[in-house]
Amino acid sequence: GQQVMQIPQYQHVQEGEDFTTYCNSSTTLSNIQWYKQRPGGHPVFLIQLVKSGEVKKQKRLTFQFGEAKKNSSLHITATQTTDVGTYFCAGPKAAGNKLTFGGGTRVLVKP
Amino acid sequence: NAGVTQTPKFQVLKTGQSMTLQCAQDMNHNSMYWYRQDPGMGLRLIYYSASEGTTDKGEVPNGYNVSRLNKREFSLRLESAAPSQTSVYFCASTSPQGTGSYGYTFGSGTRLTVV
Repeated sequence: GQQVMQIPQYQHVQEGEDFTTYCNSSTTLSNIQWYKQRPGGHPVFLIQLVKSGEVKKQKRLTFQFGEAKKNSSLHITATQTTDVGTYFCAGPKAAGNKLTFGGGTRVLVKP
Repeated sequence: NAGVTQTPKFQVLKTGQSMTLQCAQDMNHNSMYWYRQDPGMGLRLIYYSASEGTTDKGEVPNGYNVSRLNKREFSLRLESAAPSQTSVYFCASTSPQGTGSYGYTFGSGTRLTVV
């Protein structure tokens, strides 16, 4: 079945530094979505990418969808303590709008 | 708008007890989903309802049943709770047509412990 994998599982970042987290799917995706979950909270939708090679920015966050539509990345610039949380990517199964979630990248920020 | 409302927020059950987790959305979304999240893990789909009147199994349906009561409400029932069902349960909804976005809106979750 479809699998979505994220690396790294954990990311310790010094405040002010940049980092990137990666998402890889075993199958081609029609779109990829990214969510953020704060500690003790629920996942919150951040963005959806649809087109091959698409790049979207949200302030310090840059999202990219691979040319083959099988991978994606999230790059955070100048990390802040507000960036703490777990970032999930998710892709829809071929039939319907059921999302398969990756295992997430848990981000810890050192002040 | 309240978005997606889940009740209860916390629950402790004894093994073998039954309970129903409630979920309601006020966004007129067509599709609703139940996920479970175990410590340090991602979200796994239990059941979903693509539209009112339909339900289908997800990745981990064993031990659960669902009811799409109407367009707003989608409940999850544990008939005989087991310790392996200790988890955080999230309900989510989306409307895949006409909105330009397929992003899910999640409820705040139900933290269930089975002892």
